[in-house]
Amino acid sequence: SAVISQKPSRDICQRGTSLTIQCQVDSQVTMMFWYRQQPGQSLTLIATANQGSEATYESGFVIDKFPISRPNLTFSTLTVSNMSPEDSSIYLCSVPDRGGETQYFGPGTRLLVL
Amino acid sequence: GNSVTQMEGPVTLSEEAFLTINCTYTATGYPSLFWYVQYPGEGLQLLLKATKADDKGSNKGFEATYRKETTSFHLEKGSVQVSDSAVYFCALPAGGTSYGKLTFGQGTILTVHP
Repeated sequence: SAVISQKPSRDICQRGTSLTIQCQVDSQVTMMFWYRQQPGQSLTLIATANQGSEATYESGFVIDKFPISRPNLTFSTLTVSNMSPEDSSIYLCSVPDRGGETQYFGPGTRLLVL
Repeated sequence: GNSVTQMEGPVTLSEEAFLTINCTYTATGYPSLFWYVQYPGEGLQLLLKATKADDKGSNKGFEATYRKETTSFHLEKGSVQVSDSAVYFCALPAGGTSYGKLTFGQGTILTVHP
């Protein structure tokens, strides 16, 4: 299984600011995923980060709000832009195993927007 | 796409009690099925999985059997411990062309008292 780290582990931010979350994997992977987990809720997929191409966003999520970078096969960033209290969530990155079904998750970034 | 309905909670049990968390799914074909666990303050960990009908996944005393007749994948444990207190998510691949994406249930909060 992949070992995934995220930075920061948590942060408290003021509304209107932006935060960039980093995700590092210990092996090369083609696809990385970014999920959001709002308080008391399940996980919702934000986007798929593809190396060498634009990220693919799910319905309800846009690039201007959640820009994603994928500079190489082991690293990705997600930026939460122009934050509001509604963006307070846990943000998780994940990678699939070789079969493409089992997902391995990072420890998450806990974001509180005041 | 595929979908999953999970018994919500919260569930509160005494130590050594029997645990069942219900999960039913709707899917095209027979995808793999997963249970993930999220301990307080942590990311998601794969708890167990089953890849085909009648398979039983097991780990840490937890079990779940892939029942295609009832389209279910209920999570069970014969004797829970305080350390099992966590949020449990049932999941399956999103389906269609959604390589690597998972669809999650709503999550069940389990609290085990001494």
